[in-house]
Amino acid sequence: AQKITQTQPGMFVQEKEAVTLDCTYDTSDPSYGLFWYKQPSSGEMIFLIYQGSYDQQNATEGRYSLNFQKARKSANLVISASQLGDSAMYFCAMREGGTGRRALTFGSGTRLQVQP
Amino acid sequence: NAGVTQTPKFQVLKTGQSMTLQCAQDMNHNSMYWYRQDPGMGLRLIYYSASEGTTDKGEVPNGYNVSRLNKREFSLRLESAAPSQTSVYFCASSEGPGPTVYGYTFGSGTRLTVV
Repeated sequence: AQKITQTQPGMFVQEKEAVTLDCTYDTSDPSYGLFWYKQPSSGEMIFLIYQGSYDQQNATEGRYSLNFQKARKSANLVISASQLGDSAMYFCAMREGGTGRRALTFGSGTRLQVQP
Repeated sequence: NAGVTQTPKFQVLKTGQSMTLQCAQDMNHNSMYWYRQDPGMGLRLIYYSASEGTTDKGEVPNGYNVSRLNKREFSLRLESAAPSQTSVYFCASSEGPGPTVYGYTFGSGTRLTVV
């Protein structure tokens, strides 16, 4: 079973509008972390935002916020006031807690295109 | 600049050739990872090293070997390259000695084409 599911292969948004990118996850570990990364056409992976499973409040970083709904196992990324430079691939990822392996598991990504 | 350095950035191999992708980090991180990214897909874990001297298989290890040479360096070897290994390869590291428990740093990637 997929651990990270991103159901939107592609999204369009008008410049200056807000957009929500969906992410659902599956884990039985009570301790986990959820990440969002941006990958522009140049290819590098850019960390955007992190949410820990025990964090009481939704994470925010500038124009990025994470809508964390633990019971629904969803961790949607909200980008406010979209800019042309936000056009990129966006990946949701999870790290499960415990000892040993601390690798990230990635979703398949959402390609966001911001239109002027 | 501190970070993860991957070499080479681009490589073309013929089927059956071998090569080693190099990765080095200068952040004193304990854990290092190799991922591959196929077109239009997310990153998939090939191998990882939780600490110096240990390596473990990830989701797609077949056709690859790794070496954690020391704390800084983690190499990925293709013994007999196949067209199915055409991909972009990312190295990453995480977990320094300080309180940061969730920071991951990625290299800029190696674009490998096997013909």
